[in-house]
Amino acid sequence: GAVVSQHPSWVICKSGTSVKIECRSLDFQATTMFWYRQFPKQSLMLMATSNEGSKATYEQGVEKDKFLINHASLTLSTLTVTSAHPEDSSFYICSADGSSSYEQYFGPGTRLTVT
Amino acid sequence: DAKTTQPPSMDCAEGRAANLPCNHSTISGNEYVYWYRQIHSQGPQYIIHGLKNNETNEMASLIITEDRKSSTLILPHATLRDTAVYYCIVRGSSQGAQKLVFGQGTRLTINP
Repeated sequence: GAVVSQHPSWVICKSGTSVKIECRSLDFQATTMFWYRQFPKQSLMLMATSNEGSKATYEQGVEKDKFLINHASLTLSTLTVTSAHPEDSSFYICSADGSSSYEQYFGPGTRLTVT
Repeated sequence: DAKTTQPPSMDCAEGRAANLPCNHSTISGNEYVYWYRQIHSQGPQYIIHGLKNNETNEMASLIITEDRKSSTLILPHATLRDTAVYYCIVRGSSQGAQKLVFGQGTRLTINP
């Protein structure tokens, strides 16, 4: 099956710094990628939808200037958490839609801890 | 997207069939029912999806009622590794409706 990877798998950063998380589709081209956030004991919350070569579409309540998304190629999307604060600590998960499949493939997630 | 309702938790004995219900009474004609599961601290894993007909694959079976207002995911012979949160999601098929909206899911615990 299709594989989506994320890097890093976990990261610790200091408050005020920025962190970039990469999401890659390893064996297929992803026209659309999605970014989710999950707090402990809660469900996944969709943050934004990114399409290759165009601006991301953010869900209501998600600050686009704080969570920068770039989808520069059909196999790579990045999420940058700018000026991170402790409340941004969460599990960030990406997923990708293949162009001809109804299945959405999820990455393993990135655990961000802001101290 | 249509909303889904699932019981918050269920228990099942190892080796028995696990039947997970889902209500989606507001589903529209072109919306599919998807099931994913999430094992602790991992990304969600696709299980199965269907539109009208019952579906079966190597992981599970999906039974959709004739009126499509509810469905049941069946894990025929549950193992300890099936312990996870199971999400039932209704998703449109048209362009621009690909996003998955996760509800709270059902926390399934398989007991030895």
